[in-house]
Parts: sequence; C-alpha cells; structure tokens
Amino acid sequence: AQKVTQAQTEISVVEKEDVTLDCVYETRDTTYYLFWYKQPPSGELVFLIRRNSFDEQNEISGRYSWNFQKSTSSFNFTITASQVVDSAVYFCALSGNNAGNMLTFGGGTRLMVKP
Amino acid sequence: DSGVTQTPKHLITATGQRVTLRCSPRSGDLSVYWYQQSLDQGLQFLIQYYNGEERAKGNILERFSAQQFPDLHSELNLSSLELGDSALYFCASSLSGRDYNEQFFGPGTRLTVL
Repeated sequence: AQKVTQAQTEISVVEKEDVTLDCVYETRDTTYYLFWYKQPPSGELVFLIRRNSFDEQNEISGRYSWNFQKSTSSFNFTITASQVVDSAVYFCALSGNNAGNMLTFGGGTRLMVKP
Repeated sequence: DSGVTQTPKHLITATGQRVTLRCSPRSGDLSVYWYQQSLDQGLQFLIQYYNGEERAKGNILERFSAQQFPDLHSELNLSSLELGDSALYFCASSLSGRDYNEQFFGPGTRLTVL
C-alpha cells in the first residue's frame, strides 16, 4: 500500500519569508512518481511538478524548488520569498507502477502568507 | 484553466436521491479519473477510465458508479445519497492511463446532501 504524509497541517509565515513544506512517502514500488499540487481558496487543483523515482536532482522553478531524497523517502517543497498569492493548501501525491495511474494524496498543508 | 470541465459547479440535494456529475477531459486526453475530497477523508481516488474502459478502482462505494462515453466524457453517478457523501468531487484527465502522466484537474463539483 502507498502512503503520503504531510505532517504540517498548517503553516503561517510573513510575506518574503522562505517556507518549506514537508512530504514523506511510503511505497513498495520500484518505479514511482511524486507530484505537488496547489489548491488555492477558489478550490481547483493546480499541477506544480512531477518527479520520477530515478531522478533525484533538485528542481527549481522561479521561487519554487523541490528536494527529492530517496534515502529518506522525502520530497520537500520550498517557496522562497513567499507572497500572499502563495496562500493555499498544498498537496503532495504519489503514483506507483500499479495497474492505473491513480494518485495517493497526503493530507495537505495549509499555507497562510500574511502581508 | 486546466482544460478539464465539470458540471454542475454546485449541487444541493436530499438524502436518498441520485445525482449525475459530468466531466469533459482535456482535448486529446484519453484517461479520466474521479476523486472525492471531504473533510474527514481528504482527497481520495475513486475510479479511472481509459478510452472507455475501467482501468482502476479505488475507494468507491457500491452506490457510486461511473462510465466513460465514446466521446471520452465521463459521468459519475451517485445514488441513495447520504449526508456523508457531501464533498467536492474532482475529475482529472491525463494523456494516457500509464506512464505516470500528470493529471490535470477540473474545477470540481461541490455536492451538498441535506
């Protein structure tokens, strides 16, 4: 069985602070993909990134960066110089080499960025 | 805008009733997924269809069923509704049903059962 844990249920920061959202996963699959999605107050789920289990290189996209460490089964997400528009719930998700392509989501981390 | 459309946006109904949620995938996507987001269960995978055929099943109740039509749109049918079925129902689509394509989500249908 697959499991994704986001231990931080809620984080509050002041604008311009850096913030890291933690994600720990469990899977027996040898091939798997990890994802991050953003859910702003409007409710939709916005795809942010996909990372496969064979690529441990960190990735940076603007103010966003992701750190994948297979040794600790973690896929953490850092927002640099946070902005009020970053306020949202962020979900980490896992997809393994099972029959389908279903996503197993973590419980989400609610990020509040205050001006 | 992800390109995935869902109707209706909101649905209010009574216990015991039956409703149908509709989803149109992104142009070119063959796979459709349904997820339920509730306060107590979080985001849960319900069912996946690929090119008209069921591909995978998750925690979907027997009272719920889905199908994908030849034009690739999908419908999720919820029957004998209970208060606990109140949730946000998302549809997502991906290019194929394999290879871990990223899934693009629709805006969701918020179902309220009174």
